[in-house]
Amino acid sequence: DTEVTQTPKHLVMGMTNKKSLKCEQHMGHRAMYWYKQKAKKPPELMFVYSYEKLSINESVPSRFSPECPNSSLLNLHLHALQPEDSALYLCASSQEDRATEAFFGQGTRLTVV
Amino acid sequence: AQSVTQLGSHVSVSEGALVLLRCNYSSSVPPYLFWYVQYPNQGLQLLLKYTSAATLVKGINGFEAEFKKSETSFHLTKPSAHMSDAAEYFCAVIRGGRRALTFGSGTRLQVQP
Repeated sequence: DTEVTQTPKHLVMGMTNKKSLKCEQHMGHRAMYWYKQKAKKPPELMFVYSYEKLSINESVPSRFSPECPNSSLLNLHLHALQPEDSALYLCASSQEDRATEAFFGQGTRLTVV
Repeated sequence: AQSVTQLGSHVSVSEGALVLLRCNYSSSVPPYLFWYVQYPNQGLQLLLKYTSAATLVKGINGFEAEFKKSETSFHLTKPSAHMSDAAEYFCAVIRGGRRALTFGSGTRLQVQP
């Protein structure tokens, strides 16, 4: 199983809503990532978890709150988002080794209205 | 800090023609380099990776890339383009001491019949 599964695939939320994005992998990877991708742009790193601990936060606004409940799951909690937060949110995972590749999920297309 | 630059935001080739997508890296030490492909509204899929084992790297779908230290380049090639190759291609590097990928700006490949 080399899949990273993200749910939901599409999400529309209002600026006062609270929602969560979910990501799951069963490859035994101990590093998991959230990336944000705006239209016609490359993915930009948001957070990195290593062995279920947050290791990198790329100065992301606090309205985005990551959580890693266990080694297979990664969540991104959303609250009081702005329309400019609309984007494709990608989850990825990798082994704890600099030479190995990251496996990406299909992404969640988020629209904030 | 290590980074990659992709020359040409759009490349158009005819079906059956050579594909050449350019990527140059900026690093004082040999980096770990990757090429990913992204189809519309999809996640990213690894095409190939360079980890210093061999300078000519073969990937999936007939793609290959050659690491040239003297030119600080890692260009992606395919001898004969197929219509199904039309997509966005990203060169990426593991950045510094961090575990996460940093992506180039991307090149959109268009394949004409």
